[in-house]
Amino acid sequence: KQEVTQIPAALSVPEGENLVLNCSFTDSAIYNLQWFRQDPGKGLTSLLLIQSSQREQTSGRLNASLDKSSGRSTLYIAASQPGDSATYLCAVIEGGATNKLIFGTGTLLAVQP
Amino acid sequence: NAGVMQNPRHLVRRRGQEARLRCSPMKGHSHVYWYRQLPEEGLKFMVYLQKENIIDESGMPKERFSAEFPKEGPSILRIQQVVRGDSAAYFCASSSPPNYGYTFGSGTRLTVV
Repeated sequence: KQEVTQIPAALSVPEGENLVLNCSFTDSAIYNLQWFRQDPGKGLTSLLLIQSSQREQTSGRLNASLDKSSGRSTLYIAASQPGDSATYLCAVIEGGATNKLIFGTGTLLAVQP
Repeated sequence: NAGVMQNPRHLVRRRGQEARLRCSPMKGHSHVYWYRQLPEEGLKFMVYLQKENIIDESGMPKERFSAEFPKEGPSILRIQQVVRGDSAAYFCASSSPPNYGYTFGSGTRLTVV
């Protein structure tokens, strides 16, 4: 059974710092991996999608890497801003007939001005 | 493109009533997934549907919960005889095909009183 873990569970940093969020998964036979952010009481916003054949994806100040063999992904946020404060969720897309998402527990990020 | 539309945004039901949650996928998307987020917990897969077919309902409670995605109209998640433990945020996501990633709606927050 696939399990997805994110560390740390919570993180508080001063504005301007670079930071790394970690995601690990137990079964490397994934289809893709997707990072989301969730603001309090809101829905999920997709940040980056990494297909299984890719090693990383970049969008603005965000960079996500994927190492399937070790079951790990990292989300790097450069020059953090208070507006980055949110819960960050990692989800692996299982292969097979359903391609459903299995979510991690999330990292709650607070960027202090 | 209006994205994934869910309604209502908030729903209050008394114990024993029925709750009907609606989801219109993104235009051109034929795959719909429902997820539930209980307070202080992560997102859990419930059901995966394509037009007129339930593909995977392994995450659905055995009783009181049902889902459909008719040929015309939105996908419906139906909860009969709601109980307090059904209080949660219910999210719908769509994709087409799955390797292009998932887009989530803003969710329906169900409160059972």
